[in-house]
This record gives sequence, C-alpha cells and structure tokens, in this order.
Amino acid sequence: DAKTTQPPSMDCAEGRAANLPCNHSTISGNEYVYWYRQIHSQGPQYIIHGLKNNETNEMASLIITEDRKSSTLILPHATLRDTAVYYCIVRVAYQTGANNLFFGTGTRLTVIP
Amino acid sequence: DVKVTQSSRYLVKRTGEKVFLECVQDMDHENMFWYRQDPGLGLRLIYFSYDVKMKEKGDIPEGYSVSREKKERFSLILESASTNQTSMYLCASSLWGTARTDTQYFGPGTRLTVL
Repeated sequence: DAKTTQPPSMDCAEGRAANLPCNHSTISGNEYVYWYRQIHSQGPQYIIHGLKNNETNEMASLIITEDRKSSTLILPHATLRDTAVYYCIVRVAYQTGANNLFFGTGTRLTVIP
Repeated sequence: DVKVTQSSRYLVKRTGEKVFLECVQDMDHENMFWYRQDPGLGLRLIYFSYDVKMKEKGDIPEGYSVSREKKERFSLILESASTNQTSMYLCASSLWGTARTDTQYFGPGTRLTVL
C-alpha cells in the first residue's frame, strides 16, 4: 500500500470549512483513498473514500487531484464535535489476505469556538 | 447503522493471566479484524478473519490467538498476558463485496492494562 503524508495538526474555526490535505505521490492505479477519523477514546470512524472522481456524502467531500498524487478532505461547516485525528489511507480495495488498514499518525484537527 | 460492540471498555489483568476480548457485530459482515493501537505507532493488525473458523495472521500475531466460531463474533485471546500487551485493542468488521462498500466499522475499543 502507498504511503501517505499528512500535517500533524491543524486548527479550524467553528462554522468554517476544514480542509485537510494528504499527499500520496506513490499511489498506484488500483489504490483507493480512504479517510477515517478518531475522536478521543473512541474507535476510528469511516468518513469517505474514492478512486479518482471527487466524492461527497453527508459527512464530507473528497477532492482528488487529476494525477491522484494528493487529495483533500473537506468538512464544509466544522463543529466542535469534529475535533479528532483524521487519517488518510491509500490501499487496494478487497485484496485477499491484505484487507487491513494502515493507519499512520494522521492530522489532529482542533475546531476552535 | 452498523454496530460493533466490544465486551469491555477497560480491563486490568495481571502478568501471566489468560485474557479474552470479545467482539460482536450485528450487520452480517464476513470480515472481522483485531488491531492494537499504541501512541506513535498507529493501528497495527493482529489477526483477521474472512469467514467462520477462518483466520489469517496480521502484522503482529505473536502472543495472540483468535477464535471465530460464529459469523457475528470474533474473540482475541492473550494466552499469557505480558506488560508489553498493555494497549488499546480495537475490533472492526467489513462487508465482503464491491469496492464501494469496502469500509471497516470499528468498535469503541478496549483499553487493556497488564500489571
């Protein structure tokens, strides 16, 4: 699975959009970009994933650059409950024997009132 | 909503004890996983299972075993607990299907302390 690089921490004002970047310059054609987050003392929570097209769901939007070497997770209106560590993961979907997720150290997002 | 539950949030055991961590999911998922999470190391996969009675080693299986007798339940066993197994243990499950559904759903975690 390709490696990812994320900033260790970011702040965002409550109500503003939070844009979390991720670099994955060695991504291969069959690897998806996944985002999870982990609120303190809880298990990780799935947010969104995509292959090459931009994706949106009720939680967030995922913007993937045309060359797929980087992506941005957007929380459109951050709330205090979005304070968490956000993990960007790149992996092949449904690879038998290797369905695990490699979580790095992620980005600690702090939403400020 | 997918629900993954773990038997305990906090557990304190003594060195040498046999420890059972239980995980139950209610969404009929084929895949189940056990991870441990330590500061600075992220999540590391211990074992996973893609079917009843099937299991595969992850990255750090030493000192652990697992059991999957029923589809909804996946147990992690520490045969003889040691202090270096003090950690947060996370269970997850996922559906065996298309890439669009390949997401893992996590339980709340069990913080195990071995004295």
